Amino acid sequence: GIQVEQSPPDLILQEGANSTLRCNFSDSVNNLQWFHQNPWGQLINLFYIPSGTKQNGRLSATTVATERYSLLYISSSQTTDSGVYFCAVDSSYKLIFGSGTRLLVRP
Amino acid sequence: GAVVSQHPSWVICKSGTSVKIECRSLDFQATTMFWYRQFPKQSLMLMATSNEGSKATYEQGVEKDKFLINHASLTLSTLTVTSAHPEDSSFYICSALSGRAQYEQYFGPGTRLTVT
Repeated sequence: GIQVEQSPPDLILQEGANSTLRCNFSDSVNNLQWFHQNPWGQLINLFYIPSGTKQNGRLSATTVATERYSLLYISSSQTTDSGVYFCAVDSSYKLIFGSGTRLLVRP
Repeated sequence: GAVVSQHPSWVICKSGTSVKIECRSLDFQATTMFWYRQFPKQSLMLMATSNEGSKATYEQGVEKDKFLINHASLTLSTLTVTSAHPEDSSFYICSALSGRAQYEQYFGPGTRLTVT
C-alpha cells in the first residue's frame, strides 16, 4: 500500500516564526489533505490539495504530484497553531495518514 | 457546511459490555462514511468503510464481529463495540465524504472510549 512520511516529527517554534512541514508519499494519489488536530482531538480540514498551490490566511500548501510530495507552510505562527498536523492521501477513497508533525508554538 | 457530529463524545464502560457510537452528517448526505481508531500519540488508522444500505468493508486485522457498523441512512452511521475489553480503549473518529470535492473527507469530533 501507499506509504506516507511526514517530517519533522516534532517542531518547537517561537511565536511569530515561520515553518515548513513536509509530506512524502510513495505512489500516485487522487486526494491529499492536510489536517490540524487540536488538543481536544478534532481534526480540522486545512487543505484539500491533490496538486497545485493554495493559500488560506497564514497557511499555504503546495503539492507536487509528479514528485510525490506536499508542503505545508505556516507563517507568523501563533500559540493556537499548536497541535498535530497530519497529511493524508488516498488512491481509492481510503485515506492513509502520515504519522504527523507535533507542533508547539511558545509565546 | 460539511459538519459531522459524533455522540457520545466520551464514554466509560465496563469490560464485557457493548457501546454504540453514532456519527451524523448534519448538513449533507453521505453515502460513504469511514471509521478510524487513534491510540495516544499515534496516527489515525482506518477501521472500516461504511456505505449506506450495504455491508461495511473492514480493513485487514479489524474484527467485523467485534466492531459492528450500520449505515442505515444517508446521514447516520453507527459503530458498536461489542464485548468491550480494556484494549479497545481508544479514540474513535468517523468521517464522511462530503460530495463537494470528490474525495474530500470531513471528520467528526471523535469519541473517547475507556473500558474498565
